[in-house]
Amino acid sequence: KQEVTQIPAALSVPEGENLVLNCSFTDSAIYNLQWFRQDPGKGLTSLLLIQSSQREQTSGRLNASLDKSSGRSTLYIAASQPGDSATYLCAVNTGNQFYFGTGTSLTVIP
Amino acid sequence: GAGVSQSPSNKVTEKGKDVELRCDPISGHTALYWYRQSLGQGLEFLIYFQGNSAPDKSGLPSDRFSAERTGGSVSTLTIQRTQQEDSAVYLCASSLLTSGGPKNIQYFGAGTRLSVL
Repeated sequence: KQEVTQIPAALSVPEGENLVLNCSFTDSAIYNLQWFRQDPGKGLTSLLLIQSSQREQTSGRLNASLDKSSGRSTLYIAASQPGDSATYLCAVNTGNQFYFGTGTSLTVIP
Repeated sequence: GAGVSQSPSNKVTEKGKDVELRCDPISGHTALYWYRQSLGQGLEFLIYFQGNSAPDKSGLPSDRFSAERTGGSVSTLTIQRTQQEDSAVYLCASSLLTSGGPKNIQYFGAGTRLSVL
């Protein structure tokens, strides 16, 4: 069974700092990997989707990379802002199912 | 609609009662998923619908849980004889395609927070 792990579980950084969130998965047979943001009491918002054939995707200050063979993905957030404070989840798609990590709780301190 | 809509947003019930949670997916999305998110846990897959195909029920934790999707659109998740361990946020998502592909992005509703007393 696919297992998805996210490290660290929580992260606190001062505003303006660049940061990296990590996601690892045990089975490299995936179709794609998706990064989500979850605000307290809210659903999930899709940030970036990387297909298995791709190495990275960029959206604004966010850059996600994928190394399928080693079962790893990173989400890079540049010039962090207090509004980036949220829980970040990664999910791998193996066809019918999506497997989620437990998330990284990010706090950006003004 | 513009997004995935779930109702109610909050539900408090007594142990042993039945509850129904509703999900209205994005119009035209053929795939619909139900997940459960318990406090401090990741999302747990419950059930998946794709078009008129038989649903994938492999994630349902017990026979007290069931779901249906009428007319390929609205879905209802039913929990019978609720237990305290059923307390969680139940999230629904929809996507355009079922399997991996350029448009297989999941769009989530805000969830239903279920509290079983």
